[in-house]
Amino acid sequence: QQQVRQSPQSLTVWEGETAILNCSYEDSTFNYFPWYQQFPGEGPALLISISSVSDKKEDGRFTIFFNKREKKLSLHITDSQPGDSATYFCAARNNNAPRFGAGTKLTVKP
Amino acid sequence: ETAVFQTPNYHVTQVGNEVSFNCKQTLGHDTMYWYKQDSKKLLKIMFSYNNKQLIVNETVPRRFSPQSSDKAHLNLRIKSVEPEDSAVYLCASSWDWGVAEQFFGPGTRLTVL
Repeated sequence: QQQVRQSPQSLTVWEGETAILNCSYEDSTFNYFPWYQQFPGEGPALLISISSVSDKKEDGRFTIFFNKREKKLSLHITDSQPGDSATYFCAARNNNAPRFGAGTKLTVKP
Repeated sequence: ETAVFQTPNYHVTQVGNEVSFNCKQTLGHDTMYWYKQDSKKLLKIMFSYNNKQLIVNETVPRRFSPQSSDKAHLNLRIKSVEPEDSAVYLCASSWDWGVAEQFFGPGTRLTVL
């Protein structure tokens, strides 16, 4: 059973557009949500994270919007660049081991 | 340089052989993890060690065994590999078990022929 779901599976945007990556979860005890960025041949790298007490977290061009009631969050990448092309993982954490979504593969076309 | 290091980068072996992967972190973290990432990029946690103590042992086949000599090292041994073990094995670390942010190594890609 997938506890963390991501959509879409893949996303293509043009350079300069805003990419929106979605994530939802089932377990209401999840209280921390890191997003990871993974380039081919590398391990995932922490990009940005949010706790369940916040509804928004911003870091440069990356913003997480969090809706606790609906158990949904989204990662917005504004002014997308070709260098942002990667797979993005949403993760969720409570007191147990972190759970990862299946990832969204983002392609930014110049 | 502070990071998570893994060796080897790649390993190709035959069914039934034994393999070992090494992981070292120089971040001073107390908790280390092993993940398996399959061809669809799904990340599944296999083991976690907190300061040399095994604290998570997800349901993985018995042929997999983690080994930790100290909190900076966490190795993974696979006895008698099978084709379905072909994957990327990722090592990660975090400051503590309760800390959500993890730092990952580059991974070891295993191919079982």
